Amino acid sequence: GDSVTQTEGQVTVSESKSLIINCTYSTTSIAYPNLFWYVRYPGEGLQLLLKVITAGQKGSSRGFEATYNKETTSFHLQKASVQESDSAVYYCALGRGSALGRLHFGAGTQLIVIP
Amino acid sequence: GGIITQTPKFLIGQEGQKLTLKCQQNFNHDTMYWYRQDSGKGLRLIYYSITENDLQKGDLSEGYDASREKKSSFSLTVTSAQKNEMAVFLCASSIEQYFGPGTRLTVL
Repeated sequence: GDSVTQTEGQVTVSESKSLIINCTYSTTSIAYPNLFWYVRYPGEGLQLLLKVITAGQKGSSRGFEATYNKETTSFHLQKASVQESDSAVYYCALGRGSALGRLHFGAGTQLIVIP
Repeated sequence: GGIITQTPKFLIGQEGQKLTLKCQQNFNHDTMYWYRQDSGKGLRLIYYSITENDLQKGDLSEGYDASREKKSSFSLTVTSAQKNEMAVFLCASSIEQYFGPGTRLTVL
């Protein structure tokens, strides 16, 4: 089956510093999955941050980037310079178009940006 | 733009009680989903529906029923609430997965 692992439950970064949130996936299928990052800002609902459906491609949004690496089965989220407003919980997810959009989520990583 | 609403926002129940959560969307999306999130864990799929009157079981369907009588609404029923259970239930619509704000369940 499919699964997603986020190793850090919480990451603390000072404002203007760089960020990386780790995500790896596991699959028993020969077909490459679609990969997503979702974000939940305080007091708001879960929303799509970025997605990549082709292995080897990079997705980007709001200054965040993630590269779909099929060799290392990773989809790490990065940002060169974080802002306090980036403080949120970030979820990595895996999906397959053939399964009508159902997603497998990681446990989430809470990002705390210190001003 | 569209919106997904979930009611109630907070739900407190008693052990053994049947509890119903409701979700409405005005995007006119075909597919809708119910996920459960426990503290410190990712979301797990309970039920999904690809169209009106369709129901598909997810990974966590045992202990739940669902209903999709209209395209715009998708209800989830906890058939027998478990003592000390606490979780957030999230509804989503479309393959793009637009999420509602969630219903927080506490069972006394």
